[in-house]
Amino acid sequence: DVVMTQTPVSLSVSLGGQTSISCRSSQSLVHSDGNTYLYWYLQKPGQSPQLLIYKVSNRFSGVPDRFSGSGSGTDFTLKISRVEPEDLGVYYCYQGTHYPRTFGGGTKLELK
Amino acid sequence: QVQLQQSGAELVKPGSSVKISCKASGYTFTSYDMHWIKQQPGNGLEWIGWIYPGNGNTKYNQKFNGKATLTADKSSSTAYMQLSSLTSEDSAVYFCARKGFAYWGQGTLVTVSS
Repeated sequence: DVVMTQTPVSLSVSLGGQTSISCRSSQSLVHSDGNTYLYWYLQKPGQSPQLLIYKVSNRFSGVPDRFSGSGSGTDFTLKISRVEPEDLGVYYCYQGTHYPRTFGGGTKLELK
Repeated sequence: QVQLQQSGAELVKPGSSVKISCKASGYTFTSYDMHWIKQQPGNGLEWIGWIYPGNGNTKYNQKFNGKATLTADKSSSTAYMQLSSLTSEDSAVYFCARKGFAYWGQGTLVTVSS
């Protein structure tokens, strides 16, 4: 199975600040069709996860441009700028290239 | 708008089975894979498998072979997941999510307890 390693496990950030989360995969996530199926999700307390970024760097509809994704191959990053209270929760990366599909262990974003 | 409405919480006994549902609306049910994801209390997310309602094709995480069975009813636009031979390790919230995971159900809590 492809192991998705997220760091850090937790983050403290000030409102209005900037932060980033790393996600590394144990194998390249480049699919044979040329796409890289790396996604980012945010799960707020008591809610279902919500899609932020798909295929590395594409923001899902309605996601503020404060969120940006980058990376390639096995190394990916989610950046959050101008952090707002609604950004708090647990962030997960996910790979949809290899079977079985796998998620990162999560990064909890808290207020400093 | 796309909606996935899951069935309610279940309290079930060890060794039994449970079938949870995910009713889709707002899109063509037969055109998108439906995935199922497990989340144990305080833990991360684990992919179980998907079903393509258009033809009933399935793909499972080998870890859940024999544990989870995915089906779909085109007439009611509802996907189902049956979990069998339940143990305490199966106590979790189970989500359905449409392909791409842009749309999720609200989750179904399954508690296995005698």
